[in-house]
Amino acid sequence: NAGVTQTPKFQVLKTGQSMTLQCAQDMNHNSMYWYRQDPGMGLRLIYYSASEGTTDKGEVPNGYNVSRLNKREFSLRLESAAPSQTSVYFCASSPIGGLRAFFGQGTRLTVV
Amino acid sequence: GENVEQHPSTLSVQEGDSAVIKCTYSDSASNYFPWYKQELGKGPQLIIDIRSNVGEKKDQRIAVTLNKTAKHFSLHITETQPEDSAVYFCAAAGGTSYGKLTFGQGTILTVHP
Repeated sequence: NAGVTQTPKFQVLKTGQSMTLQCAQDMNHNSMYWYRQDPGMGLRLIYYSASEGTTDKGEVPNGYNVSRLNKREFSLRLESAAPSQTSVYFCASSPIGGLRAFFGQGTRLTVV
Repeated sequence: GENVEQHPSTLSVQEGDSAVIKCTYSDSASNYFPWYKQELGKGPQLIIDIRSNVGEKKDQRIAVTLNKTAKHFSLHITETQPEDSAVYFCAAAGGTSYGKLTFGQGTILTVHP
């Protein structure tokens, strides 16, 4: 039982490049989340999907897009990476409505 | 939307002492309040949670209290041990934005042997 799996674990991008962060959960959870974590800023919500077929903006959605591909998978796309998007990105899933959310191990992204 | 404030940002205690971390939330409709522990290089892990119909919950050395009237909740760790050293986050969910889980800024807890 893998829980929440994020790929890749590390990535270096040049400014302007695009990439997609992948997230998959095997717990049959309804809700999924993308957060970014910066020093001193805690966990800031980028986008979330309360249930399959829905997505909503969080606190810091600018520069990102998401796709809830199916119940298991929730991807985060950076269309044109900027140095300000250097961060650690965490995906999480919850059975319903944020309850008992499980987190992945994170993706450390550096934009140069 | 929901806003969660967490204090203190850093907390240093001696082994065996108690540690208390406090959070306030803004959305009176929020009804679920989890606490997460994050160790270096890892994702946050749920350690305890409480729902709005309960005022206090304990699990061995950790406890959480909730005051819905004042919109604040606290994490209490007793008999702290060096392995309790980590970053702790509070969060709130169940408010006016269904499915949204909002975190506080985190507290770096250091337990000195």
